[in-house]
Amino acid sequence: AQTVTQSQPEMSVQEAETVTLSCTYDTSESDYYLFWYKQPPSRQMILVIRQEAYKQQNATENRFSVNFQKAAKSFSLKISDSQLGDAAMYFCAYRSRRGNQFYFGTGTSLTVIP
Amino acid sequence: KAGVTQTPRYLIKTRGQQVTLSCSPISGHRSVSWYQQTPGQGLQFLFEYFSETQRNKGNFPGRFSGRQFSNSRSEMNVSTLELGDSALYLCASSFTSGDSGANVLTFGAGSRLTVL
Repeated sequence: AQTVTQSQPEMSVQEAETVTLSCTYDTSESDYYLFWYKQPPSRQMILVIRQEAYKQQNATENRFSVNFQKAAKSFSLKISDSQLGDAAMYFCAYRSRRGNQFYFGTGTSLTVIP
Repeated sequence: KAGVTQTPRYLIKTRGQQVTLSCSPISGHRSVSWYQQTPGQGLQFLFEYFSETQRNKGNFPGRFSGRQFSNSRSEMNVSTLELGDSALYLCASSFTSGDSGANVLTFGAGSRLTVL
């Protein structure tokens, strides 16, 4: 089974600064999808960004961007100009090309310091 | 467009009891997945239902079961509750059941189960 590892249980960043959250995964597949989900204290998980493994270009969504290194099986999330509303638990997730089962990491709790 | 609705939001049960959780997906979504979230374990996949059929099942004991109705609403049941079943149970819906790059999960707010 695929495994997703988030080695940083907690991170903090000053407001307006940039922070990078790490994620590595293990798979023998060549075609898959990677996601970052955000879970604010209210608990509703929301999608932050998605990357398709066959696309070499890193995905970007406003202040959120990823650094996808397929050979290294690394998928980090960069948050630029951090805002107080970015404080949340962030989960990295993997999904095979086929099937709908998502594999999640254990999460990184991000604190934004005013 | 209404989101994914889970009920109840909070519940307390005692060991040995059973519990049923409900999930109403986004209108038009036919796939419903269930995840168990515990501190330190992250999200663990329970099962997925698509068009009333269980498509995939995670590594959980048979005490955990689910079903999906013709209107795509889903329920999950946990029988003979144990202390370790205390968790946040998240339901997520998606339009299809994989095989689509556009397929992402939309989550509900969860049902917080406490087993005493």
